[in-house]
Amino acid sequence: DAGVIQSPRHEVTEMGQEVTLRCKPISGHNSLFWYRQTMMRGLELLIYFNNNVPIDDSGMPEDRFSAKMPNASFSTLKIQPSEPRDSAVYFCASSLEVWEPVNYGYTFGSGTRLTVV
Amino acid sequence: DAKTTQPPSMDCAEGRAANLPCNHSTISGNEYVYWYRQIHSQGPQYIIHGLKNNETNEMASLIITEDRKSSTLILPHATLRDTAVYYCIVGAGYKLSFGAGTTVTVRA
Repeated sequence: DAGVIQSPRHEVTEMGQEVTLRCKPISGHNSLFWYRQTMMRGLELLIYFNNNVPIDDSGMPEDRFSAKMPNASFSTLKIQPSEPRDSAVYFCASSLEVWEPVNYGYTFGSGTRLTVV
Repeated sequence: DAKTTQPPSMDCAEGRAANLPCNHSTISGNEYVYWYRQIHSQGPQYIIHGLKNNETNEMASLIITEDRKSSTLILPHATLRDTAVYYCIVGAGYKLSFGAGTTVTVRA
């Protein structure tokens, strides 16, 4: 299994531009998560999908951020317009069904390092 | 609010057991203890989880105290590749909050 695949690995963009990050979860996993990691705030959960449906987007910073999961094998995180404070590493993770209260471990991708100048 | 307390850093000798402590005195009855690690420039990696019994897998062992207020992750024979930030997390369901973790450095 190739694991969770994220693209691109690195993205440098100018302030105001649109940025789209992509994620392919592990086949058979029906839970998908987007996290953001910065030195100041650590790892933060942005959004959680279950069976392609957004369940919790309370971590999305503001309306400039949007996430979609059109099918079980693909998700995107879009920032429009981007700002320098969005610079961070963005991780996608997937897992088998999360049965309350336990989950059986997330598999994270290698991340996308975003730099907004 | 931080649910766990971990030492910021610790060193370990290669080939020796590494014992990583974690305090979680406010853990609720339905919350599990999870351990992840993050090797430099990689995504976090799941290690193990438990509710109240001790658990062991191919990577590590997890010892949870009887009152569930603290736990210890044991890496039985640390290697240089185990150098990473180790996160102790308590939670229920999908909401896992990663704290600052413990930076473990394995030295030859």
